[in-house]
Amino acid sequence: GQQLNQSPQSMFIQEGEDVSMNCTSSSIFNTWLWYKQDPGEGPVLLIALYKAGELTSNGRLTAQFGITRKDSFLNISASIPSDVGIYFCAGQLHGGSQGNLIFGKGTKLSVKP
Amino acid sequence: KAGVTQTPRYLIKTRGQQVTLSCSPISGHRSVSWYQQTPGQGLQFLFEYFSETQRNKGNFPGRFSGRQFSNSRSEMNVSTLELGDSALYLCASRDAAEAFFGQGTRLTVV
Repeated sequence: GQQLNQSPQSMFIQEGEDVSMNCTSSSIFNTWLWYKQDPGEGPVLLIALYKAGELTSNGRLTAQFGITRKDSFLNISASIPSDVGIYFCAGQLHGGSQGNLIFGKGTKLSVKP
Repeated sequence: KAGVTQTPRYLIKTRGQQVTLSCSPISGHRSVSWYQQTPGQGLQFLFEYFSETQRNKGNFPGRFSGRQFSNSRSEMNVSTLELGDSALYLCASRDAAEAFFGQGTRLTVV
């Protein structure tokens, strides 16, 4: 079945540093989504991408939909302690609400003040 | 608009028992998906319901089942619980590509 490779698995960075993580797939996706999950909570949607090459920002977060439609990256600028959590990418093969989302295994972010 | 509501938040069950989890989606959303999250396997897709019909199904045994009611609320049932079923069960509500998650139900099987 389809798989998403998300990297890195974990990051331990200094407060104020920029962060970059990415997801790659063997399949072409129509949609890429990025989520953040805090301990004991459900994932929260951060950014949604719908077109190849699309670059979208949400505050200090920026995500891009790869031109090949097989990859996406998420950048966090000037990290702060509340950025700690697990970040997941998710891809969808079909448009609209058709088809399940496939999730990466997550990138665990730890920030040292 | 209220978010996705899952009940209960926590459950402890004994091996061999069965359990039912509930999910109320965002008002107007007709698609509800269920995921199992464990530290080793990440988010694993269980099934998706749309307008009371199962539309997609993941690779889980038949002990895992679900249903959706006419008001879009969904329930997930796990029969003959095993220790390995201990996990965070997440429900996601969608009306387009974007999925919105509830807080999850933490199931512990002892």
